[in-house]
Amino acid sequence: EAGVTQFPSHSVIEKGQTVTLRCDPISGHDNLYWYRRVMGKEIKFLLHFVKESKQDESGMPNNRFLAERTGGTYSTLKVQPAELEDSGVYFCASSQEGGPYEQYFGPGTRLTVT
Amino acid sequence: AQKVTQAQTEISVVEKEDVTLDCVYETRDTTYYLFWYKQPPSGELVFLIRRNSFDEQNEISGRYSWNFQKSTSSFNFTITASQVVDSAVYFCALSEAWSGGGADGLTFGKGTHLIIQP
Repeated sequence: EAGVTQFPSHSVIEKGQTVTLRCDPISGHDNLYWYRRVMGKEIKFLLHFVKESKQDESGMPNNRFLAERTGGTYSTLKVQPAELEDSGVYFCASSQEGGPYEQYFGPGTRLTVT
Repeated sequence: AQKVTQAQTEISVVEKEDVTLDCVYETRDTTYYLFWYKQPPSGELVFLIRRNSFDEQNEISGRYSWNFQKSTSSFNFTITASQVVDSAVYFCALSEAWSGGGADGLTFGKGTHLIIQP
């Protein structure tokens, strides 16, 4: 069974540009989570999808971040326009319906904003 | 608000020594879930264990063991006879239940960098 995959693995963009990160959860997992780790800080929760609905987006830092999960499969996280403080590693995780089942993490996308 | 504290930033031991990683948590919920994840140098987060708040039974899996004590709000992780391959950053995490029956997003501690020297 394939694990959680994320694309790209690394992205370098300039301040003010737009970047879209993609996450493909484990097949059949209804729960999808986004997290971020900024350099030197702990891993922070961003938001939680249940199928295509946003269950909790309390961790989204501001309205420059837009997450979608059309059709309840893969998810995208768009940052527009990117700022220097957005640099970090963005992790995606998925878990089975109901739960509380363990969350399986993807390898992360390292975003560098210059 | 929930919080997870891993007071040990870095621990270095010699191979074959036993080592315990501490985790203290705070939550107002009566139902919650505790986790440990391992992040090897390659960067991915590997799930190790989940514990429910209503199950204080300790668990052992090979050289790994976990001690959950609600009275002290702690969920400590012990590696017995450590090996070089155990070198990694270890994260303790907490989530609270949500009405849909699953778990909220995880609140992570800052992690403990474990170095096992040969």
